[in-house]
Amino acid sequence: DAMVIQNPRYQVTQFGKPVTLSCSQTLNHNVMYWYQQKSSQAPKLLFHYYDKDFNNEADTPDNFQSRRPNTSFCFLDIRSPGLGDAAMYLCATSITQGRAEAFFGQGTRLTVV
Amino acid sequence: AQKVTQAQTEISVVEKEDVTLDCVYETRDTTYYLFWYKQPPSGELVFLIRRNSFDEQNEISGRYSWNFQKSTSSFNFTITASQVVDSAVYFCALRGLNRDDKIIFGKGTRLHILP
Repeated sequence: DAMVIQNPRYQVTQFGKPVTLSCSQTLNHNVMYWYQQKSSQAPKLLFHYYDKDFNNEADTPDNFQSRRPNTSFCFLDIRSPGLGDAAMYLCATSITQGRAEAFFGQGTRLTVV
Repeated sequence: AQKVTQAQTEISVVEKEDVTLDCVYETRDTTYYLFWYKQPPSGELVFLIRRNSFDEQNEISGRYSWNFQKSTSSFNFTITASQVVDSAVYFCALRGLNRDDKIIFGKGTRLHILP
């Protein structure tokens, strides 16, 4: 049974048109992460939530925003997607930070046309 | 600064051969965790193993084994009797124990198992 679920699996959006990617978890984990992964690269952390505390990476563009309305759900909003934002977006959770492994969803592959 | 190096970008072996994926890390922390993840073509990162820095005992799980050597800052992963289903990208990762510590990934090794 999937424990970290990302929707949709594939998303095509137009250049400049806002898009939202969603992630839900059934693990009741405190921490949720959003990673961006471009082809043949390692995942790059965009931001994470520890409960409701939001932590943005210093090099995450302002174009990327996130919301976590409750423990189970987290959203990634891209306000004005550019061609360079085409990537796989991975959501992950962990029970805590520092000691625990992260569990990943299947990812959403975003195409910008 | 923390860093994970996977020097092997891509490896190809014939099915049933053994293969070792190398991972070398750098950290100033005295306690930390190391991980291996598998990313098949479907895209999901699948957690394989977590090892803490004060436990150097090697681990075996079926055809998978991990060799952690703190003296050389290495955490290598061996697949015995490889199978085509093992074809994937494998990531080694490092994380400190503090609340704000992030998971630091290596660049990954793409493994091709040829039938």
